[in-house]
Amino acid sequence: DGGITQSPKYLFRKEGQNVTLSCEQNLNHDAMYWYRQDPGQGLRLIYYSQIVNDFQKGDIAEGYSVSREKKESFPLTVTSAQKNPTAFYLCASSPQGGNEKLFFGSGTQLSVL
Amino acid sequence: KQEVTQIPAALSVPEGENLVLNCSFTDSAIYNLQWFRQDPGKGLTSLLLIQSSQREQTSGRLNASLDKSSGRSTLYIAASQPGDSATYLCAVVLIKAAGNKLTFGGGTRVLVKP
Repeated sequence: DGGITQSPKYLFRKEGQNVTLSCEQNLNHDAMYWYRQDPGQGLRLIYYSQIVNDFQKGDIAEGYSVSREKKESFPLTVTSAQKNPTAFYLCASSPQGGNEKLFFGSGTQLSVL
Repeated sequence: KQEVTQIPAALSVPEGENLVLNCSFTDSAIYNLQWFRQDPGKGLTSLLLIQSSQREQTSGRLNASLDKSSGRSTLYIAASQPGDSATYLCAVVLIKAAGNKLTFGGGTRVLVKP
């Protein structure tokens, strides 16, 4: 089936640890996005990429890093600099990043131990 | 800065009643507006996308209207069913935005009681 796969579904981070969230899509979409969702709130954009080997900061990029070495993959690293990482993280993609519909993965819940 | 507001934050209706969900935005220079559905602990599913030149979009029991001049969109769900229970989010894209940088509202949590 075509779609976006996020893993793991649940992730726990220890103090001072970096963790990486995986996002893979087989939709042949050019654009990919990472959003953070806090309880009862809307989504906030962390990073986005419109093409391989290129990405831009979103509204809340501090404490996060990304890479886009392959079209189908857009991993997000939550670094130790992110002091409040507990949230639900959602990855999305769209065909060309030109304001089409977004397709979302099923999310990763990150919690701090 | 674009702000998107959804009121009420939560809504409970008996099965069969029509649902009316509201979304307001402060900057009327939008490119499009999208409505999404989110089930607990899941990702978002796109329901309807309205281009700025359109007044409404329909899909089955769902109808979304757009009034740019007043900065409002309304999602109507006819003859609600328990399976419609979910959180509904709206999101807008500004005309000058690079890429698909949506600004989301906080969502309306809907419960349809059997």
